[in-house]
Amino acid sequence: GEDVEQSLFLSVREGDSSVINCTYTDSSSTYLYWYKQEPGAGLQLLTYIFSNMDMKQDQRLTVLLNKKDKHLSLRIADTQTGDSAIYFCAETGDRDDKIIFGKGTRLHILP
Amino acid sequence: GAVVSQHPSWVICKSGTSVKIECRSLDFQATTMFWYRQFPKQSLMLMATSNEGSKATYEQGVEKDKFLINHASLTLSTLTVTSAHPEDSSFYICSARDSYSYNEQFFGPGTRLTVL
Repeated sequence: GEDVEQSLFLSVREGDSSVINCTYTDSSSTYLYWYKQEPGAGLQLLTYIFSNMDMKQDQRLTVLLNKKDKHLSLRIADTQTGDSAIYFCAETGDRDDKIIFGKGTRLHILP
Repeated sequence: GAVVSQHPSWVICKSGTSVKIECRSLDFQATTMFWYRQFPKQSLMLMATSNEGSKATYEQGVEKDKFLINHASLTLSTLTVTSAHPEDSSFYICSARDSYSYNEQFFGPGTRLTVL
């Protein structure tokens, strides 16, 4: 079945880079996403990548996709306190309209 | 960017009552809206897909008579939790897909439902 796995917690010092990793099972995914959720709020789409790409960069965010290993990562450069949130990895699976989410990685910023 | 609102942002109700949650796309038309449920420290689980002018498609295990969905216009979908019970307490999040932007869903801020 479709499944998205990610570690639940990550601590990073302010100013360092954060790398959040994710693995997925469905090789037919068309899109892979990273969403950010701040406490008590909905989800904000940070970035997405087409399955035929292996890298996408957007300002401080870099997404790497290893389709062979079904591994997706999000790198946040120069991590700031405002980056503290839960980050969800997601894929579309075999239905382009259905998004399957991982459990989320809580990013904690150390001073 | 596209904005999706939800109302109310939080609601507390007694067991056995029904609660309606609205999801609106404010600056775009949404042919399709999605309803998710999120338990504490858990991921979002898709409950149903709501298409304007037609019946909603429910995911396996979601009771359609319990969670009534109506998508009467291109900017509004409602989710009614009927005869709510404490186990229905959760964070409900909707998303809307811009009719002209196939791949992106815009998420609402969520509604926290607490059933006493």
